[in-house]
Amino acid sequence: DAGVIQSPRHEVTEMGQEVTLRCKPISGHDYLFWYRQTMMRGLELLIYFNNNVPIDDSGMPEDRFSAKMPNASFSTLKIQPSEPRDSAVYFCASSRRQVVDEQFFGPGTRLTVL
Amino acid sequence: AQSVTQLGSHVSVSEGALVLLRCNYSSSVPPYLFWYVQYPNQGLQLLLKYTSAATLVKGINDFEAEFKKSETSFHLTKPSAHMSDAAEYFCAVIAAGTGFQKLVFGTGTRLLVSP
Repeated sequence: DAGVIQSPRHEVTEMGQEVTLRCKPISGHDYLFWYRQTMMRGLELLIYFNNNVPIDDSGMPEDRFSAKMPNASFSTLKIQPSEPRDSAVYFCASSRRQVVDEQFFGPGTRLTVL
Repeated sequence: AQSVTQLGSHVSVSEGALVLLRCNYSSSVPPYLFWYVQYPNQGLQLLLKYTSAATLVKGINDFEAEFKKSETSFHLTKPSAHMSDAAEYFCAVIAAGTGFQKLVFGTGTRLLVSP
C-alpha cells in the first residue's frame, strides 16, 4: 500500500485566498483524521471521520475551516478565506477500525499564507 | 479530560548512551498510551502503545516503555542511542471507554544524538 497520500506537499498563498488540502487514506481504513502542527500549539486534532461521517469537529478553529469526506478514499480540508495565522503543517492520518488503533500519518502539507 | 506532559523539550545524548524520554499522563479512567516518532519533514510513526495488557511494552527499533500507574508515567527508553534516532518524539493518550475518543498529544521532545 502507498500509505496515506496528501496533496499538495507545499502551498503558498496570499491572505484571503481559498485553500484546499487533499487526503487519500489507506484503503480499508475506517477512520480519517486531520491534524494541524505549529510551533506554538503543537499537534492539534481538527476533525475526524468514521466511515465518511464527521464524528468530532470540536478542534476546527472557526467557520473558515471546513472538511468533507465524500467517499472512503478521499477527504478535503478547506480554508476560506485563509489568514497568515493558518500557516502550519497539516497532517492527514487514518486508522483501521478504532481510534485506539495505530494511526498512519501522511507526509503533511506545509501551508504558508502571506 | 485526559492529557500528557512531556518533561524536557530537548534531550541530548551521545551515540551508544541510554535514551530516556519522560511522559506523565493525567486521566480519570484507564488510559491507552502511545509513543510516536517524527523524523524531519515526515509524518508521525507509531513506536509503541499500551492498551492495559503488559505494563512493559516493546516497540520498534529497540524502544520500550513502562506503564507505572502509581507514578502516572509512561517513560520511553532505549538502551543504546543511534544517530538515526535523532527525531522528535510525542507521547499521546486516549481515555479508554469514553465517547468521541481522540488522541491527545504532548508537546514533543526533540532527541539530539551526538557522535
